[in-house]
Formats: sequence, C-alpha cells, structure tokens
Amino acid sequence: AQSVSQHNHHVILSEAASLELGCNYSYGGTVNLFWYVQYPGQHLQLLLKYFSGDPLVKGIKGFEAEFIKSKFSFNLRKPSVQWSDTAEYFCAAEDSNYQLIWGAGTKLIIKP
Amino acid sequence: EAGVTQSPTHLIKTRGQQATLRCSPISGHTSVYWYQQALGLGLQFLLWYDEGEERNRGNFPPRFSGRQFPNYSSELNVNALELEDSALYLCASSFSSGLAGGEQYFGPGTRLTVT
Repeated sequence: AQSVSQHNHHVILSEAASLELGCNYSYGGTVNLFWYVQYPGQHLQLLLKYFSGDPLVKGIKGFEAEFIKSKFSFNLRKPSVQWSDTAEYFCAAEDSNYQLIWGAGTKLIIKP
Repeated sequence: EAGVTQSPTHLIKTRGQQATLRCSPISGHTSVYWYQQALGLGLQFLLWYDEGEERNRGNFPPRFSGRQFPNYSSELNVNALELEDSALYLCASSFSSGLAGGEQYFGPGTRLTVT
C-alpha cells in the first residue's frame, strides 16, 4: 500500500534557524506531491505542490521543497524561520486513484 | 469567494447516537472529501464524493456513510457512535479529480465529541 512518512513529529527551532522537514513516499509511479500547513486556529492550506518539471518548487512564505525521485523524498525547507511559521505541516502524495495519502504531520514550534 | 464551510462547529453526542455533519464546497468544485483527524494521528481519509457519487472510501466501518447532493454539498453520517469517534472531521473540496491534480481546499472542521 502506498504510504507517506514524515520523519519528525515535533520540531523546535529558534527564529532565524534553517528548517528541513523530511517526507518520504512509497509510490513508485508518477506522483504528485504536496505540502500543506495548518496554522494555529486556521484551516489546512496548500503550501506548495510538485506535479512535474523543475524538482525544486517554491511555495508561499519563503518555503521550498525538493523532489528527489531516487530517494522517494520531498523535503520541505526554509532558510530562516520566523515565529509565525509555528504550525503543523503535512506532506501528501496523490495516488493512482487521485486520492491524497497523508503523512502524520510535523508540529513545528519556533521560539522567539 | 466563499471557502469551504462546515456545520456545526462543535457536536456533542453520547455513545450509540448518530451524528450528521455537513459541508458546502467552494463554488465550482464538484469533489468533496471527508477526513478524520484524531489527536496525534494525522488525517485519515474517510470518503470521496464526485458528481454525486461515492468514488472511494477509506478503511472505516460501514457505520460511516454519507452522500453528496445535486448542489455538490455533502453530508457525513456516523451511526452507533463510539468513544473513539471523537475527533475533528474535515471536509475538503476540489475541482473534479484528475484536473486539479488533487489540490484540495479545506474547511474549518467539525469537532465531534462522544461521551
């Protein structure tokens, strides 16, 4: 069965630190990949997505993610985090039935 | 443009009762998805409706059911409630799957508490 794994359930960083959240998927075919974010008290919203083309995709608020097919990975990065980045981040992969398979989420806390 | 709306915001039921949750998708979206977000478990896929039909369901018992109406709004029904059904139930909508590549827009959720 297809699955998505997020390596860290909780991450705590200080402001201005660099961020990398890991995401691995198990599906071997053509895959569409997503990162969603849920800020405290807000809806889940799309951060960025990869469908094809340039494996380095840029999203909102300075986030980017790199698709590495050989590693089945789609890690999320930000060079310098802010307190407002405190949120829960979800990685998802679209399977062959056009259904999103979700990771368990990573709770990110940024210390001011 | 209005986003995905869900009602009620909170719902408290006792074990054995039935719960009905409602979702209105973004105008123009024909697909509606239901997810359960239990504490610490991420999003678990429940049901997917598109153009009025159930397209897929997740690994949940049959007492979780729903439907999609001609205006594309949707209802999730949970019968014979159990304590472990307590969770946040999220609804998401998208254009018909396959066109938008799975980009889903989420509502605020309904917090169901079973006592």
